[in-house]
Formats: sequence, C-alpha cells, structure tokens
Amino acid sequence: EAGVAQSPRYKIIEKRQSVAFWCNPISGHATLYWYQQILGQGPKLLIQFQNNGVVDDSQLPKDRFSAERLKGVDSTLKIQPAKLEDSAVYLCASSPPGGLAVLYEQYFGPGTRLTVT
Amino acid sequence: AQSVAQPEDQVNVAEGNPLTVKCTYSVSGNPYLFWYVQYPNRGLQFLLKYITGDNLVKGSYGFEAEFNKSQTSFHLKKPSALVSDSALYFCAVRDALNRDDKIIFGKGTRLHILP
Repeated sequence: EAGVAQSPRYKIIEKRQSVAFWCNPISGHATLYWYQQILGQGPKLLIQFQNNGVVDDSQLPKDRFSAERLKGVDSTLKIQPAKLEDSAVYLCASSPPGGLAVLYEQYFGPGTRLTVT
Repeated sequence: AQSVAQPEDQVNVAEGNPLTVKCTYSVSGNPYLFWYVQYPNRGLQFLLKYITGDNLVKGSYGFEAEFNKSQTSFHLKKPSALVSDSALYFCAVRDALNRDDKIIFGKGTRLHILP
C-alpha cells in the first residue's frame, strides 16, 4: 500500500511570496489533515477534511493560509503572502474509515520543509 | 481545554536497558491517547493508542504504554532498548467527550539509545 505523498519536499521562498503544497492521501482514506510543525514543537493541526468538506479549520490563519480538497482525494495548502514565522515543516496525514480498531490513527507523509527568508 | 505534556526533552538509555518516555495529559472527559515516532527526514509513524479497554497497550516495534487514569499518564515503555529506537517520540491526546476537539500533540521527547 502506497503511503501519503507530499510535494515538494523542500521549498525556500522570500517573505511576501506565495507557495503551495500538495498532498495525496492513502487510497480510501476519507479524512485528511494538514499540520504545521515548527522546529522543537509538536505538530499543530491547521485543517481537517472529511472527504471534501472542512471539519476543523479553527487554527488556520485564514488571512494568509488556504486549503482545498476539491474531489475528496488530493489536497493543496497555500500560503499567500508568506511570513518569516511560517518557516516550518508542513505535514499531511490521512486516516482510514472504520471503527475503534483504526479510530483516529493517522498516517503521515514525509512533509514539506518550508524556509522563508 | 485539553493538553498534553512531555516533561523530558531528551532521554538517554543504554542499549539493552529498559526505556520509559513520559507523557501526562489533561482532558475534560475520557482521553484517547496516542504515541507516534519520527525518524530523521521522515514523517510521523503511528506506534500505539489507547481508546478503551485494557490499560496496557501493545504497539509496533515492541513498544507498549500504560494508561493510568489516576495519574493522568500514558508513559511509553520498552523492556530492552535498541540503537534503532533512537528517534523523536510524540504523545498525543484527544478528548473523547468533546466531538469538536482535535488531537493535540506534545512537543516531543528525543530518545537516544547508547551502544
């Protein structure tokens, strides 16, 4: 079974530029998450999708961050304009459908390391 | 509000010795608890979880964790450490009572297994 795919793996941009990240979850996983992981901290949830609907985006800085999952499969996360404090690893994860046996188990991609200069 | 704490930034253990990585939590209702491991340049990998049932949970790579409700802890353990266990470990919690709550991750504990 293929894992969660993310691209690009690394990105360096200047502040005020825009950037987009792409995620392809594991086939059949209806739930998709985007996390921001700043160096030395644990992942922080930015947005959670269930199919193509948003379940939670309470921690997404909506003035500069946006995300979509139009067909309920792939997802993109965009930052426009970027700030220095957006430098982090952006992780995508997905969860399988099912009962207690797999409840809330998340499968993570390798992440995209963003550096804003 | 829910929270999770990993009191140790780093834990050093000699190979072959037992290891413990500590985690404590705070939730309003009953907790769902998780451990993840992160190897260099790789995403987080699920290790184990506690949802309900037996307080001792067994997971991948020989790891286990014990849910202790009275101490609000979910420490990760392994009887005999391997050098390959060296990695960054994250504890996470979700409040089972509140449907709107999200999974919260701790800041992580770096585990060094010394040969």
